[in-house]
Amino acid sequence: GAVVSQHPSRVICKSGTSVKIECRSLDFQATTMFWYRQFPKQSLMLMATSNEGSKATYEQGVEKDKFLINHASLTLSTLTVTSAHPEDSSFYICSARDQEDRGYNEQFFGPGTRLTVL
Amino acid sequence: QKEVEQNSGPLSVPEGAIASLNCTYSDRGSQSFFWYRQYSGKSPELIMSIYSNGDKEDGRFTAQLNKASQYVSLLIRDSQPSDSATYLCAGRPLNDYKLSFGAGTTVTVRA
Repeated sequence: GAVVSQHPSRVICKSGTSVKIECRSLDFQATTMFWYRQFPKQSLMLMATSNEGSKATYEQGVEKDKFLINHASLTLSTLTVTSAHPEDSSFYICSARDQEDRGYNEQFFGPGTRLTVL
Repeated sequence: QKEVEQNSGPLSVPEGAIASLNCTYSDRGSQSFFWYRQYSGKSPELIMSIYSNGDKEDGRFTAQLNKASQYVSLLIRDSQPSDSATYLCAGRPLNDYKLSFGAGTTVTVRA
């Protein structure tokens, strides 16, 4: 089956620093990747859609200058949380859509990254 | 109104019983629906997808889709303690790759 990895799985940083999270599709090419955020006991909230070779599309209310997304290749997307603050502490999950998808649009999820900002 | 609504739960069922989860959606253009299982501290994993009206069975899981009534359900037969998790319903609109997730229903299977 399709495998998506994320790195790091867990990160603790000081307030004001930037954190980069990587999302990789390991055995398929992903034209589109998605970044979600999940707070405790809440559902997944889509932050942005990342398309290879073009700018990411951000959901309403998500600051594009704070959450920088780069999708430089068909297997890698990165999310950088700039000037992180404690309220950015959350579980960040990426998913990827197979380029060969024939319309079913199954998204394969990475294992998630737990960010804690002190 | 949220695009996808799930019955709030939490749901507690005894081992061996049937757990029934329901989901309604507001966008009549939605074409594909997915049920994900999420264990605490983990990311969601896909357990069922359904695109056509009717039932789809996979092992102990049965998904049902009724596009006229705009609801999707998931039945878990012979529930096991390992089925204890949060179940997320998601729908995909036509001509859009984004998924809309429901709030999730937490299921606890009592041994």
